[in-house]
Amino acid sequence: AQKVTQAQTEISVVEKEDVTLDCVYETRDTTYYLFWYKQPPSGELVFLIRRNSFDEQNEISGRYSWNFQKSTSSFNFTITASQVVDSAVYFCALSEASGNTPLVFGKGTRLSVIA
Amino acid sequence: DAGVIQSPRHEVTEMGQEVTLRCKPISGHDYLFWYRQTMMRGLELLIYFNNNVPIDDSGMPEDRFSAKMPNASFSTLKIQPSEPRDSAVYFCASSLVWGTGNTIYFGEGSWLTVV
Repeated sequence: AQKVTQAQTEISVVEKEDVTLDCVYETRDTTYYLFWYKQPPSGELVFLIRRNSFDEQNEISGRYSWNFQKSTSSFNFTITASQVVDSAVYFCALSEASGNTPLVFGKGTRLSVIA
Repeated sequence: DAGVIQSPRHEVTEMGQEVTLRCKPISGHDYLFWYRQTMMRGLELLIYFNNNVPIDDSGMPEDRFSAKMPNASFSTLKIQPSEPRDSAVYFCASSLVWGTGNTIYFGEGSWLTVV
């Protein structure tokens, strides 16, 4: 069965610090997809990135970067030079290609960026 | 293009009352999902539809919950009778063909409080 673990429940950093949010997943499928979503204080779920299991290339989007490592079943998310607007709950999620399994979410990591 | 639209955004109701949550998926999306978010259980899938047909309702907590999708542009989630433990944020989401890693896009959520 698929499972996503976000061991960090809450993280607090000072503005401009870098911060990494950890995500470890479990799956028996060879084809699967990993996602990160952001939930700001307003409550909506905002899609950030999707990665498939065959693409281990790291990705950078502005201050955001993602490190996908199949060897350790991890898909970590780093925010560089954090800003107050980055304060939110961040969810990692997994979908297996077989059987049309819907998205399974981790418990989320609450990030607080202090000015 | 408009995103997933949910209504109401907020609802406070008394125990025993019927609650109906509404969702309009993104046009052209074949899959529709209902998720529930609580502090204790995080984000959990309740039910999902493909081309208006319910595919998996194993996440629906009990018979008090029901969901329908009468057409491609509308779905409802009904709770009757409601109980205080149903208080949660209910998200509707939609995606293109599932199983190929297409992104699920979420609505802003319906915040339900049952007193």
